[in-house]
Amino acid sequence: ILNVEQSPQSLHVQEGDSTNFTCSFPSSNFYALHWYRWETAKSPEALFVMTLNGDEKKKGQISATLNTKEGYSYLYIKGSQPEDSATYLCAFTAGNTPLVFGKGTRLSVIA
Amino acid sequence: TAGITQAPTSQILAAGRSMTLRCTQDMRHNAMYWYRQDLGLGLRLIHYSNTAGTTGKGEVPDGYSVSRANTDDFPLTLASAVPSQTSVYFCASSVTGQSFTEAFFGQGTRLTVV
Repeated sequence: ILNVEQSPQSLHVQEGDSTNFTCSFPSSNFYALHWYRWETAKSPEALFVMTLNGDEKKKGQISATLNTKEGYSYLYIKGSQPEDSATYLCAFTAGNTPLVFGKGTRLSVIA
Repeated sequence: TAGITQAPTSQILAAGRSMTLRCTQDMRHNAMYWYRQDLGLGLRLIHYSNTAGTTGKGEVPDGYSVSRANTDDFPLTLASAVPSQTSVYFCASSVTGQSFTEAFFGQGTRLTVV
């Protein structure tokens, strides 16, 4: 079973603060790394799908980087807003296999 | 656009009873998945299907079965429910099973086995 680790498990920040989370995954047989945003009482929604070492993706104030050689990805949120409060999931796939999800980082942005 | 629809939204089920959770997508995605969400354990894959007519086992398949008779539907059956199957179940789909494309999730089915 592939192991995907996310840290921290939870995070509380003040409105306007910038923050980042980590996703660690096996560096061998890398295929793709996904980030999802999961708001309470809703379904997970995709933020990024990353496939190449060194990839950087951005959507609004949220960005992500990927290092496949060392097996990690960072998600950054610049200037957090209360509406950014959610659980952020990363998911990894090796070869032609379904996504394996980490347990997520729960972000709370305090106004 | 409906996207991916699960039914029922929630259900209380007596232990030992059988139940089928329904999942339908209208995006013509080849791949479909069933995950369960449990506190502290995140999303765990139960079964998946890369294309109509094929299925595969995920991380926690015991006690569950699936079928994929056509592209749109991917029902999950609990043959004889046990309390440990109390969970929130999410169905998802993606264009292909090669995971280069994002997964789209249904709204979830909250199942309580008593």
